[in-house]
Amino acid sequence: SYELTQPPSVSVSPGQTARITCSGDVLPKQYIYWYQQKPGQAPILVIYKDNKRPSGIPERFSGSSSGTTVTLTISGVQAEDEAAYYCHSPHTSGTYGVFGGGTKLTVL
Amino acid sequence: EVQLVESGGGLIQPGGSLRLSCAASGFTVSSDYMNWVRQAPGKGLEWVSVTLSGGNSYYGASVKGRFTVSRDNSKNTVYLQMNSLRAEDTAVYFCVRGWWEGFDYWGQGTLVTVSS
Repeated sequence: SYELTQPPSVSVSPGQTARITCSGDVLPKQYIYWYQQKPGQAPILVIYKDNKRPSGIPERFSGSSSGTTVTLTISGVQAEDEAAYYCHSPHTSGTYGVFGGGTKLTVL
Repeated sequence: EVQLVESGGGLIQPGGSLRLSCAASGFTVSSDYMNWVRQAPGKGLEWVSVTLSGGNSYYGASVKGRFTVSRDNSKNTVYLQMNSLRAEDTAVYFCVRGWWEGFDYWGQGTLVTVSS
């Protein structure tokens, strides 16, 4: 198995850029997916395969990767973006997956 | 429209068993990867299991040997049989579709509470 590490919290003011990182030794070999979860709701997919955005997800959400770290970037943060964000990596064999611990994004 | 509806959660004593159901509509469960993901109160997400379209299932280390997934294609429903339940299994259990393109559809979740 492997682990993905995220910062517990990130805070930004409205209109600024939020960057949430996810680190893991296996990341150069595995895709990363990002999920947004608001209190009391099921998570929603905001980025898949490192940097692809599902339909309906605003363009201000983007993903990038560099070595053993991947980053979710939210440009021009809005109040509605306040949520927990989780990275996830499914194993290439399709036999197991792991989530990062989650990052609480606070919009000041 | 794709929908996933979980049921079967509730209060169960430690050591007991419970079966969760996930009724799908808008797609065929046998044609997709189906997962269970859980979230303990106030905690993060934990991947529990995946069932491949071919029918094989795989489990996270914390539930392996205790949980079993099955599928009824005629009902388009996936089940999670949970045995030897522990307090640490207390969580909201989500039924989730997907794998390589991401977990694109989630159910609303069903709460399992393991307590005496």
